[in-house]
Amino acid sequence: GAGVSQSPRYKVAKRGQDVALRCDPISGHVSLFWYQQALGQGPEFLTYFQNEAQLDKSGLPSDRFFAERPEGSVSTLKIQRTQQEDSAVYLCASSLAGGGVTDTQYFGPGTRLTVL
Amino acid sequence: LAKTTQPISMDSYEGQEVNITCSHNNIATNDYITWYQQFPSQGPRFIIQGYKTKVTNEVASLFIPADRKSSTLSLPRVSLSDTAVYYCLVGSRTGANNLFFGTGTRLTVIP
Repeated sequence: GAGVSQSPRYKVAKRGQDVALRCDPISGHVSLFWYQQALGQGPEFLTYFQNEAQLDKSGLPSDRFFAERPEGSVSTLKIQRTQQEDSAVYLCASSLAGGGVTDTQYFGPGTRLTVL
Repeated sequence: LAKTTQPISMDSYEGQEVNITCSHNNIATNDYITWYQQFPSQGPRFIIQGYKTKVTNEVASLFIPADRKSSTLSLPRVSLSDTAVYYCLVGSRTGANNLFFGTGTRLTVIP
């Protein structure tokens, strides 16, 4: 079956531009996660949705980062006024149930954002 | 979340068995041990999970001693396609929903 998809796969933005990254989770998956992965590092948690409710946004680095999942399926991560330090791979993951380490997370291929 | 420590990198020849050990001295009673694998330009992929003793699936085995302060991921007869970063994670079923990855172990399989 179809896995988690993300678009675009690559995005180049000039400093100060706004970007929007899309995630299509596996159909029927309740939980959706966004992670940020810097070069040579492991993924770091940004935010978590259960259906349309954003239950945890503790990992968002600043108020320039905003995520939504209005109908409980597709999610968008928006970054306003991008800065060079925002350059990273943004990973989306979904899981069938309510999260937790025993609920396997399925990851998309990521969107590589480069801010010039 | 319990902190984990694993080697930064390992090299192995094709066909050998590879063992990657992860230390988690502060593991809690309710914590599970989970390993993910990440290939370049891909998202992480679940490999195996266990609570105690030994777990085996079609990809790997996970060995957990009685004190659970460490665990070892065993990959039998590795091939070039096993070159990846392997992450050890520890967490509970009712704990944080997100995963904490750390920096992982970069395994390079040499022909």
